[in-house]
Amino acid sequence: KQEVTQIPAALSVPEGENLVLNCSFTDSAIYNLQWFRQDPGKGLTSLLLIQSSQREQTSGRLNASLDKSSGRSTLYIAASQPGDSATYLCAVRWGAQKLVFGQGTRLTINP
Amino acid sequence: KAGVTQTPRYLIKTRGQQVTLSCSPISGHRSVSWYQQTPGQGLQFLFEYFSETQRNKGNFPGRFSGRQFSNSRSEMNVSTLELGDSALYLCASSVGQSTYSGNTIYFGEGSWLTVV
Repeated sequence: KQEVTQIPAALSVPEGENLVLNCSFTDSAIYNLQWFRQDPGKGLTSLLLIQSSQREQTSGRLNASLDKSSGRSTLYIAASQPGDSATYLCAVRWGAQKLVFGQGTRLTINP
Repeated sequence: KAGVTQTPRYLIKTRGQQVTLSCSPISGHRSVSWYQQTPGQGLQFLFEYFSETQRNKGNFPGRFSGRQFSNSRSEMNVSTLELGDSALYLCASSVGQSTYSGNTIYFGEGSWLTVV
């Protein structure tokens, strides 16, 4: 069964720290992997899309890496800010199948 | 340009009723997907439409249905509502069909459905 797991479920760090969010998936034959951010009561905002042929993608203070062989992706956030507080979701697409989401990591940045 | 627009944003329905939710994708996007989000189950895929045809379907009962119009706008319908249908329903759009690996998908703000 194709599954996506995000650990930890919640993370709290002081402002200014660099941090890493983890995503693991069960089948390495992925089409792509996408990281999203969700603010309370809101929809999802796409952060980064990594295609299966790529190893990483960067956008501003965010860097996402992909290691298909180990079934892992990480989202690195540099110099965290209180505005980064949100739930971060990892989603994987396999072939023509649906997008499968992890349960998310709820991130709190403390001023 | 305008993002994905979902209406209504909030609604309350009674058990046994039916509900229709609407989604207008980003201009030029032809693929629309629907997801259900609950605290217990997280985000679960309902179905995807591309060029007015259902391309993928998740593991939901037949009470959940959808359609897409020629202008790419989509609706989803839930009949005979149950308490467990209370959730945030999210619509997402992308330029091409999901099988195209280059697609980034963009989500709307969602429709909050409460069944009482």
